[in-house]
Amino acid sequence: DADVTQTPRNRITKTGKRIMLECSQTKGHDRMYWYRQDPGLGLRLIYYSFDVKDINKGEISDGYSVSRQAQAKFSLSLESAIPNQTALYFCATSDLAGGPYEQYFGPGTRLTVT
Amino acid sequence: AQTVTQSQPEMSVQEAETVTLSCTYDTSESDYYLFWYKQPPSRQMILVIRQEAYKQQNATENRFSVNFQKAAKSFSLKISDSQLGDAAMYFCAYRDLNAGNNRKLIWGLGTSLGVNP
Repeated sequence: DADVTQTPRNRITKTGKRIMLECSQTKGHDRMYWYRQDPGLGLRLIYYSFDVKDINKGEISDGYSVSRQAQAKFSLSLESAIPNQTALYFCATSDLAGGPYEQYFGPGTRLTVT
Repeated sequence: AQTVTQSQPEMSVQEAETVTLSCTYDTSESDYYLFWYKQPPSRQMILVIRQEAYKQQNATENRFSVNFQKAAKSFSLKISDSQLGDAAMYFCAYRDLNAGNNRKLIWGLGTSLGVNP
């Protein structure tokens, strides 16, 4: 089974709709991240969380909100989706303990806003 | 602020040949880590290799190796005996140990590698 899972894998929604993307991990990591990927723009950080009580904005948080329901769960919400939020969304985790802190990624969610 | 630059948006290589993807970074920190991630058409992000800045020895993982030049702030990825399955987008990433930077990953924009049979 995958260590980091995302649901749904693909989603098409209409402008103005509220949508939630969910991420779960079994790696036991404290840190979780949400990125979006757009062609030519690489990965951009939306939000990150160091633990359940610590949530931080990334470089492009406008239009998004998050919830860390448990150590293993981190959800991303689009309160009112707009077409320029069409992108590939990734959840990632990393260990808080000392080390290289490499991030482990989920399989991604392809979101299309029409 | 730290930055990561991948100057080659696209590259191609013949199957079984060797290819080198370049990455440069800018930082004033002395302790940091560097990573190469692979994103195949399946879109899964896969860690290929990592390098600790305090290690002079270049990291190697099977057919993948790096050329880490700390003074030049260069971190290139060499893929030997290229295979069709190596076709992917490759991202270079940096992370330092400065708590003030929240130990976030800084990403390059990627290099798309094609492998010709």
